Amino acid sequence: SQTIHQWPATLVQPVGSPLSLECTVEGTSNPNLYWYRQAAGRGLQLLFYSVGIGQISSEVPQNLSASRPQDRQFILSSKKLLLSDSGFYLCAWLSWGEGETQYFGPGTRLLVL
Amino acid sequence: EDQVTQSPEALRLQEGESSSLNCSYTVSGLRGLFWYRQDPGKGPEFLFTLYSAGEEKEKERLKATLTKKESFLHITAPKPEDSATYLCAVQPPRGANNLFFGTGTRLTVIP
Repeated sequence: SQTIHQWPATLVQPVGSPLSLECTVEGTSNPNLYWYRQAAGRGLQLLFYSVGIGQISSEVPQNLSASRPQDRQFILSSKKLLLSDSGFYLCAWLSWGEGETQYFGPGTRLLVL
Repeated sequence: EDQVTQSPEALRLQEGESSSLNCSYTVSGLRGLFWYRQDPGKGPEFLFTLYSAGEEKEKERLKATLTKKESFLHITAPKPEDSATYLCAVQPPRGANNLFFGTGTRLTVIP
């Protein structure tokens, strides 16, 4: 069965510091992968998606970047965090089983102070 | 612009009191409508996918229905463990399977 992991679970970082969030998927090959951000009182906002190694599409211009160095690894990064980067970051993978369904990881809570 | 609106924002029910949550959308050429359940501090958990008007799907106390403009998540005789935020998402006919999410309905079931 497929499993999706996110690391770390919680992170508190000062403004201006760098960021690296990791997402890994097990039990599937060449999945479409997604990064979402969920801010309080707002719906999930798609940040980036990837259809393969080295292929990244950005949905929203911002302070963040994404990379996919391996087939089942997706990384969200920032060189300098802003207060507005605080939120709950979710990684998802796409299953082509019964229709096209995105399954989410446990999330990373980021607080920028 | 594609929009997904969920109502109500919050709902409190007594245990056993059935009700419905609403998700209205303005996406043209809908490819799919998804319902997720999200517990506090956790990632969304997939519940249902609906593809065409008139379609219905059930899982335990939950039933999802779809029309051309909205979807309903019916909760029959809810229990306290059904307390969660329920998210609706639509998949437009473009992009790499992108989803547009509503802000959710926070359901509280009181024993």
